[in-house]
Amino acid sequence: DAGITQSPRHKVTETGTPVTLRCHQTENHRYMYWYRQDPGHGLRLIHYSYGVKDTDKGEVSDGYSVSRSKTEDFLLTLESATSSQTSVYFCAIMGGWGGDTQYFGPGTRLTVL
Amino acid sequence: SQQGEEDPQALSIQEGENATMNCSYKTSINNLQWYRQNSGRGLVHLILIRSNEREKHSGRLRVTLDTSKKSSSLLITASRAADTASYFCATVQGAQKLVFGQGTRLTINP
Repeated sequence: DAGITQSPRHKVTETGTPVTLRCHQTENHRYMYWYRQDPGHGLRLIHYSYGVKDTDKGEVSDGYSVSRSKTEDFLLTLESATSSQTSVYFCAIMGGWGGDTQYFGPGTRLTVL
Repeated sequence: SQQGEEDPQALSIQEGENATMNCSYKTSINNLQWYRQNSGRGLVHLILIRSNEREKHSGRLRVTLDTSKKSSSLLITASRAADTASYFCATVQGAQKLVFGQGTRLTINP
């Protein structure tokens, strides 16, 4: 998985609790991304980062915040989890020869009860 | 809405047959990419075709791109059970952002 790890890999939590997912890369790439994947919706971009402390919203950013204090770590926080945020979350980095291809982490399966 | 739309949504064939998946997109592109996702895993990049290319090969994969029709196809020849996966097309939108289609779920029957 191109030096990308995600933690935790599985999490079950209750509605209203805060949750933080971590993405760690060892490749020193500038761009990092958080997606969620749901049946019938494919992958949807939540937030992305183009450098330390530089982030921007994606297609489905409501209810999520991110932080990037170091190049290697990109955190996704659900301030108050809701059942609609039950999903599989993927982190990715942008790399490749032209910097156009993405490399994905193994995913985090989050269940909000 | 998704930039890329794959067709069909699901495809089931016998081992050894060829599998063809199609992708349509809406806006002009610099390149189009295909990814594979095995069950329970992250996406893996397969192949990238640039807007000035019409066809590209990589092993048993053949990708075509028709920019006039805003469409691409992925052909997997001589399919194997290990090719069972979901396949996604993706295009770059804006600054270094990829937009993915909903994918084609391919099942290879032994």
